Amino acid sequence: DGGITQSPKYLFRKEGQNVTLSCEQNLNHDAMYWYRQDPGQGLRLIYYSQIVNDFQKGDIAEGYSVSREKKESFPLTVTSAQKNPTAFYLCASKFGIGTYNEQFFGPGTRLTVL
Amino acid sequence: AQKITQTQPGMFVQEKEAVTLDCTYDTSDQSYGLFWYKQPSSGEMIFLIYQGSYDEQNATEGRYSLNFQKARKSTNLVISASQLGDSAMYFCAMREEGAQKLVFGQGTRLTINP
Repeated sequence: DGGITQSPKYLFRKEGQNVTLSCEQNLNHDAMYWYRQDPGQGLRLIYYSQIVNDFQKGDIAEGYSVSREKKESFPLTVTSAQKNPTAFYLCASKFGIGTYNEQFFGPGTRLTVL
Repeated sequence: AQKITQTQPGMFVQEKEAVTLDCTYDTSDQSYGLFWYKQPSSGEMIFLIYQGSYDEQNATEGRYSLNFQKARKSTNLVISASQLGDSAMYFCAMREEGAQKLVFGQGTRLTINP
């Protein structure tokens, strides 16, 4: 079955620690995205990547970093510089660069800073 | 700048009734795509339906349909014969042509009562 997997589902972090959220897709999609969702809010774009070894900042990139070494993988690191990292993180992917292609989402990772 | 507005924070509907979820958008582009996603309590985002700005017909997908009024910049989601499983958050989103970013509204929480 093709799809997007995210791990872990729940993640707890102490203040000052960096953590990495995993996102893997086997849909052969070119573009991948990371979103952040706060309670009762919509999604905000953190980073996105259209091709391997290339990525662009979204609206709220500060305190986050990404890499795209493989087409299938787009891990997100939440660094200690992110002041309020507790949130729900969603990874998505999309086929091609067309405007009209929908994004497919993973199940999400819920990050809590203790 | 893109902007998506969903004015209904919450909606309560009796099972089997039809429901309309409102969405207005703001863009100066002529070419864009409009998307609706469902987010159950599990957190994953499920793609429901898409409308292109140049589509002359309102989009339909099973029990989902869009009331697309381009001049008013609105794309309301209509769910016919609502079911208990329709209870979820619903998000409207837009992507302008050539842009990779999908901009989301704040969402509407739909509750279907038995």
